[in-house]
Amino acid sequence: NAGVTQTPKFQVLKTGQSMTLQCAQDMNHEYMSWYRQDPGMGLRLIHYSVGAGITDQGEVPNGYNVSRSTTEDFPLRLLSAAPSQTSVYFCASSYSGRARGYTFGSGTRLTVV
Amino acid sequence: ILNVEQSPQSLHVQEGDSTNFTCSFPSSNFYALHWYRWETAKSPEALFVMTLNGDEKKKGRISATLNTKEGYSYLYIKGSQPEDSATYLCALVRLSGGGADGLTFGKGTHLIIQP
Repeated sequence: NAGVTQTPKFQVLKTGQSMTLQCAQDMNHEYMSWYRQDPGMGLRLIHYSVGAGITDQGEVPNGYNVSRSTTEDFPLRLLSAAPSQTSVYFCASSYSGRARGYTFGSGTRLTVV
Repeated sequence: ILNVEQSPQSLHVQEGDSTNFTCSFPSSNFYALHWYRWETAKSPEALFVMTLNGDEKKKGRISATLNTKEGYSYLYIKGSQPEDSATYLCALVRLSGGGADGLTFGKGTHLIIQP
């Protein structure tokens, strides 16, 4: 089925561990982005990409790393997990930021203990 | 940090009534304004993307307007139904060096339709 696929759906990490949240889309979308959802804060932009090889920081980039080597994939790396990174993470993609809305993945619930 | 503000934060409406809520945003470097509907335990779904001052969009009983000069957008729901219960998010896209940046969301309006 066409869409945005995020893995894993749930993850528990210990403080200091690193991990990669995977995001893949099969719609040939150029625009991809990562968001975190926290109570009372809404959805906040972490990193975004407007095409393969091009990434930029959003509102809350510290502690996260991204790369975009292909159009399809946009992984989010947590370098050294901290309890403050406990959140629900959403990946989204779009044909363009202007012509179409974004399609969201189903989210990854991450707990850092 | 961009301030995208939505009001009210929550809203209880009787079934059959019409309602509206507001999204306000800084108008500099405007590129697009998105509206999303977010149901509990699901992912946000796009309703509208608006780009031009004076734009009006409609999908069934839901419509939206855009004023880029003063920096606001309204979402209207006519004849509310229980299935309209959800959180409605607006999100701003601005011009950046690479073309356009990602979505900056407001905190949403939580709409509850009471039978």
